[in-house]
Amino acid sequence: DGGITQSPKYLFRKEGQNVTLSCEQNLNHDAMYWYRQDPGQGLRLIYYSQIVNDFQKGDIAEGYSVSREKKESFPLTVTSAQKNPTAFYLCASISWGGYGTGELFFGEGSRLTVL
Amino acid sequence: AQTVTQSQPEMSVQEAETVTLSCTYDTSESDYYLFWYKQPPSRQMILVIRQEAYKQQNATENRFSVNFQKAAKSFSLKISDSQLGDAAMYFCACSNFGNEKLTFGTGTRLTIIP
Repeated sequence: DGGITQSPKYLFRKEGQNVTLSCEQNLNHDAMYWYRQDPGQGLRLIYYSQIVNDFQKGDIAEGYSVSREKKESFPLTVTSAQKNPTAFYLCASISWGGYGTGELFFGEGSRLTVL
Repeated sequence: AQTVTQSQPEMSVQEAETVTLSCTYDTSESDYYLFWYKQPPSRQMILVIRQEAYKQQNATENRFSVNFQKAAKSFSLKISDSQLGDAAMYFCACSNFGNEKLTFGTGTRLTIIP
């Protein structure tokens, strides 16, 4: 079955450590996104990538980094520079073939807790 | 920049009854899309319904329908014959045509009362 796989589902990190969240999709989608979800704040865009080897900052990119070396993969690194990293992280993708359709497909999310 | 506002943090409805969730938005674009996403306790985001701004006809998907008021920039979701499985967080979202960056509202938690 096609879909988006995020791993790990739960992750604990000590302060000062970098951590990488994995996102893999087998939907042959062109664009991929990382959102952060906090209680009462909805989803906020961290980074997005429309094609391989290219990505853009979203609204809250500080303290995060990404790469897009393969179409299927879009890992997110939460660096020690992120002041409040404890959150739920959602990866999503979309196909440009459906120009303007706007339907994002989401993974099941990763919960990061900083101890 | 787009903004999406959901003014109802929580709503509840009796099973089999109808409930309406409110959403207002602001965008400077003339072509855009509006969405309602559902997030059940499993946290998996699921698309409920989509509306193209250039279409005057309100979108419907089975028990789910929208009231799209373009001039008022309002996009409410009506759930008819509410079922226990409808209990979830509901997010309203907006994206500009050709730019798939969705802007989300803060969500409405819907509780279904048996």
